[in-house]
Amino acid sequence: QQPVQSPQAVILREGEDAVINCSSSKALYSVHWYRQKHGEAPVFLMILLKGGEQKGHEKISASFNEKKQQSSLYLTASQLSYSGTYFCGTALNYGGATNKLIFGTGTLLAVQP
Amino acid sequence: DVKVTQSSRYLVKRTGEKVFLECVQDMDHENMFWYRQDPGLGLRLIYFSYDVKMKEKGDIPEGYSVSREKKERFSLILESASTNQTSMYLCASSLGGSMSEQYFGPGTRLTVT
Repeated sequence: QQPVQSPQAVILREGEDAVINCSSSKALYSVHWYRQKHGEAPVFLMILLKGGEQKGHEKISASFNEKKQQSSLYLTASQLSYSGTYFCGTALNYGGATNKLIFGTGTLLAVQP
Repeated sequence: DVKVTQSSRYLVKRTGEKVFLECVQDMDHENMFWYRQDPGLGLRLIYFSYDVKMKEKGDIPEGYSVSREKKERFSLILESASTNQTSMYLCASSLGGSMSEQYFGPGTRLTVT
């Protein structure tokens, strides 16, 4: 079952902050975040394991709330280069040799000057 | 740098044709994946492979098959293309294990007329 991402789309001015949420109805083992710029391939941002871990990547960080089965991606002081579609990918359990993910429907982020 | 290449960026085929989409990765990755990307539906997994000649169905395998005869190459086959298979197809690869990031190819936009 696909995780639900919210919002579906957000428009920001440069320097503003945004939060993107990814919620699952099932218990999660890990959450992966990717960004896809227009016309390009998705690019990996970060992975979070269950346990409430928080990670950062430049001015982009994320958290994982195991009780809520939800991950949130925080974009601080957004830059034009942050524009794109953000996807979360969820793993329901430790997959051993495989890392099959179920991706959400995506959140379109547009940063304007 | 990991490179995942796909045989075509754009492809136009007729209904009923057999279609082959090729994907090659150069990093000796165990896992390879085929996704289709449609507006509003995000990335949906068609098939994945965790070793040569090994494959597993993803969430939407109907109408597709795959082949992995060599570790670096993963092919997606549409036995008899239909108009509802018009989509963007993305290939990805990763090392084994649930904590591995996926590296995506540039995608093939397939139009079936």
